[in-house]
Amino acid sequence: DAKTTQPPSMDCAEGRAANLPCNHSTISGNEYVYWYRQIHSQGPQYIIHGLKNNETNEMASLIITEDRKSSTLILPHATLRDTAVYYCIVRGVLYGGATNKLIFGTGTLLAVQP
Amino acid sequence: GAVVSQHPSWVICKSGTSVKIECRSLDFQATTMFWYRQFPKKSLMLMATSNEGSKATYEQGVEKDKFLINHASLTLSTLTVTSAHPEDSSFYICSARPWRLAGLGGKETQYFGPGTRLLVL
Repeated sequence: DAKTTQPPSMDCAEGRAANLPCNHSTISGNEYVYWYRQIHSQGPQYIIHGLKNNETNEMASLIITEDRKSSTLILPHATLRDTAVYYCIVRGVLYGGATNKLIFGTGTLLAVQP
Repeated sequence: GAVVSQHPSWVICKSGTSVKIECRSLDFQATTMFWYRQFPKKSLMLMATSNEGSKATYEQGVEKDKFLINHASLTLSTLTVTSAHPEDSSFYICSARPWRLAGLGGKETQYFGPGTRLLVL
C-alpha cells in the first residue's frame, strides 16, 4: 500500500473549518484514501473514504486532487470534541471476499482551540 | 449501526498469567476482524487478521503462540495474551469488517472497538 505523509500537528479555532492535508504521491489506480480519527484513549473512528471523486458525509468532506497524489479532509465547523489524531490511509481493495489491511501511519494531531 | 465492543475495557494482571480480551460486533456479522496494539504516543500496529472458522494470520514479528486468536463465530473474536510480561502492557484494539460489505471493493470499511488497556505488573 502507498505511503502517506501528514503534518504531525495542526491547530484550529473552534467554529472554523479544519483542513487536514495528506500526500500520497505513490498511490496507484485501485487504491482508496481512507480517513480515521482517534480521540485520546479510544479506538479509531471511521470518517470518510474515496477513490477519485470528492466525497461528503455528515462528518466531513474529502477533497482529492485530480492527479490523486494528495487529498484534504475538511471538518467544516470544528468543535473541541474534534480534537484527535487524524489518520490518512491509502489502501487497495480486494474483491471476492478477501480484505486488505489498514496500515496506520503517525497521523496529524488536530488541536481545536476555544 | 456498526458498533464494536471490547471486554474488558481495562485489566491489571500479574506477570506470568494469561489474559483474554473479547471483541464483539454488536449489530452486524463480521467474517474478518483485526487486532492492533498501541503503545503510548505511538500509532496502531496491526498484530493479526482473524478469520471466522480458520486460523489467524499474524504480522511479521508477532508471536502466534503468545498471542492466541480465536474467531469462533461471526460476532466474536478473542485475543489471549499468554504468560503476560510487563512489556506486553499496551492498549489492544480490535476492528471488524461487516460481512455485508465483503467483496464490495471500495464500499468496504472497518469499525473499531473502544480498546482494552492491559497493565502487567
